Amino acid sequence: GENVEQHPSTLSVQEGDSAVIKCTYSDSASNYFPWYKQELGKRPQLIIDIRSNVGEKKDQRIAVTLNKTAKHFSLHITETQPEDSAVYFCAAPGTGTASKLTFGTGTRLQVTL
Amino acid sequence: DVKVTQSSRYLVKRTGEKVFLECVQDMDHENMFWYRQDPGLGLRLIYFSYDVKMKEKGDIPEGYSVSREKKERFSLILESASTNQTSMYLCASSPIGFPNYGYTFGSGTRLTVV
Repeated sequence: GENVEQHPSTLSVQEGDSAVIKCTYSDSASNYFPWYKQELGKRPQLIIDIRSNVGEKKDQRIAVTLNKTAKHFSLHITETQPEDSAVYFCAAPGTGTASKLTFGTGTRLQVTL
Repeated sequence: DVKVTQSSRYLVKRTGEKVFLECVQDMDHENMFWYRQDPGLGLRLIYFSYDVKMKEKGDIPEGYSVSREKKERFSLILESASTNQTSMYLCASSPIGFPNYGYTFGSGTRLTVV
């Protein structure tokens, strides 16, 4: 099955700085890479995703890059704000039925004033 | 406009009890999933279903079973609850298709087994 590793487990940045979270995956057949944000006490929500036919995708202050050769993908948040504080999860599907996702262990991002 | 609903937000059960966690989605999604979330371990897949009455084991199915009698409802069953099943349980759904599509999660059920 798919194996996803995520680093760092915690990240503290000052407001306005950039944050980068990195994930690696094992199954070269994976073709879809979502990122979820989970605020305290709330459900995980999809914030951005990338498919294997592109190398980068941006949505305002967030971007995701994908390196299929190296089997890693990263989340980039620029101009961080306090409301970016949350736990972020990366995921990859591997192969098989139902497009089941294997998640990373999460990164707790703290944006300080 | 809640689309994935988990029946209980908090549950406290005794060791050995049979526990039912219910999840209902109103998006006509084919795929439904049960994950448990533990600090430092992320989200781990327990079971999933890609059609009515169809189910497949995930990465940590021991001690759990599932039921999907209707497309919109996916139930997680703890046959005999144990303290190591104390956790946050998240249900999710997604449409079928290629390439893969993201999940919609429920709000979670925090289960405590005493």
